Amino acid sequence: GENVEQHPSTLSVQEGDSAVIKCTYSDSASNYFPWYKQELGKGPQLIIDIRSNVGEKKDQRIAVTLNKTAKHFSLHITETQPEDSAVYFCAAFLSGSARQLTFGSGTQLTVLP
Amino acid sequence: EPEVTQTPSHQVTQMGQEVILRCVPISNHLYFYWYRQILGQKVEFLVSFYNNEISEKSEIFDDQFSVERPDGSNFTLKIRSTKLEDSAMYFCASRAQGAGEAFFGQGTRLTVV
Repeated sequence: GENVEQHPSTLSVQEGDSAVIKCTYSDSASNYFPWYKQELGKGPQLIIDIRSNVGEKKDQRIAVTLNKTAKHFSLHITETQPEDSAVYFCAAFLSGSARQLTFGSGTQLTVLP
Repeated sequence: EPEVTQTPSHQVTQMGQEVILRCVPISNHLYFYWYRQILGQKVEFLVSFYNNEISEKSEIFDDQFSVERPDGSNFTLKIRSTKLEDSAMYFCASRAQGAGEAFFGQGTRLTVV
């Protein structure tokens, strides 16, 4: 089955700096890679996703890159703000199937004011 | 905006008791999932459900667990005889046909005492 590795497990940045979280996946058939933000006591919220036919996607301060050959994908947050502080999970999925999302282990991002 | 709703938000139960966690997925979605998250750990897949049957389940989803879609709107997770180690946040998620995006509910915090 799919295995997703995520690092770092914790990340502290100064407000205004950039944050990068990296994931690798094992199943080359996976073709959909969402990122979720989880705030304390809440469920995961989808913040951005990328499909395997695209190398990069950007939405305001958030971007995701995908290297299919290396089976790596990364989340980039620029101009970080205190409200970006949360746990971020990457996931991999075979879109169009009944398969489940496989999550990474999560990154606790802390943005220091 | 449509959302996945879960009830109750918090459930405390005695060890050995049965609990039913309830979910109302987004109305036009066809794939349904239960995940759990032990405090401070990653989101773990339990089971996926499609076309009125289980399509995939993890090793966590043993005989004490069952899922049901008793009517057109609800999706339930039953734990027959709860154990202390079942204490966790349980998340329901749903997904539309063909789409990769899975939407999560806010979760039910289950505490087994």
